[in-house]
Amino acid sequence: ETGVTQTPRHLVMGMTNKKSLKCEQHLGHNAMYWYKQSAKKPLELMFVYSLEERVENNSVPSRFSPECPNSSHLFLHLHTLQPEDSALYLCASSQEGLTSDTQYFGPGTRLTVL
Amino acid sequence: GNSVTQMEGPVTLSEEAFLTINCTYTATGYPSLFWYVQYPGEGLQLLLKATKADDKGSNKGFEATYRKETTSFHLEKGSVQVSDSAVYFCALSVKGQGAQKLVFGQGTRLTINP
Repeated sequence: ETGVTQTPRHLVMGMTNKKSLKCEQHLGHNAMYWYKQSAKKPLELMFVYSLEERVENNSVPSRFSPECPNSSHLFLHLHTLQPEDSALYLCASSQEGLTSDTQYFGPGTRLTVL
Repeated sequence: GNSVTQMEGPVTLSEEAFLTINCTYTATGYPSLFWYVQYPGEGLQLLLKATKADDKGSNKGFEATYRKETTSFHLEKGSVQVSDSAVYFCALSVKGQGAQKLVFGQGTRLTINP
């Protein structure tokens, strides 16, 4: 596979469930990102990892817990979510340190919290 | 602070019409500017970019010019097709804590009728 992949593509969970979203990038990049896309709101940056270290956490509730075990993989662990957390969750990657600062996005995971 | 303001949507045009989607920005320093496109059910794809003043980005018949004097990066296409129906996002990049961040506009939904 090429580019940025995300699994699952769709997820329905109850408020008491625990689930994880997975992102994998095949581009050799060293930075990865989680975004939340809700209806009628701009994309919200949630977390940034650079060289496998979290460098940004934009006041995201603790029910979202990211993990970056290596430069190619990024997870978002979910627990005790609320219905308002239903959204499209997008992963992206980029290569830091180059003049080109383009982020490449995965297809997203459509999350529905019941 | 850093922000991006896009033309309000939705925009509906007939095939072969001329398209302009306005985008203005506020930024400290000299950001790179981007247009991303999101087709139904998919993630964001980079459409074009410009990294410095007066640069013109172009791709698939779309183009945008980085105008520092008017802080604008308007997207244009001379003759749109039905397949161009999508949501278009203007964005700028800023250097965060060890990684670059993208700041997005709210998106403009474009529908092209045959």
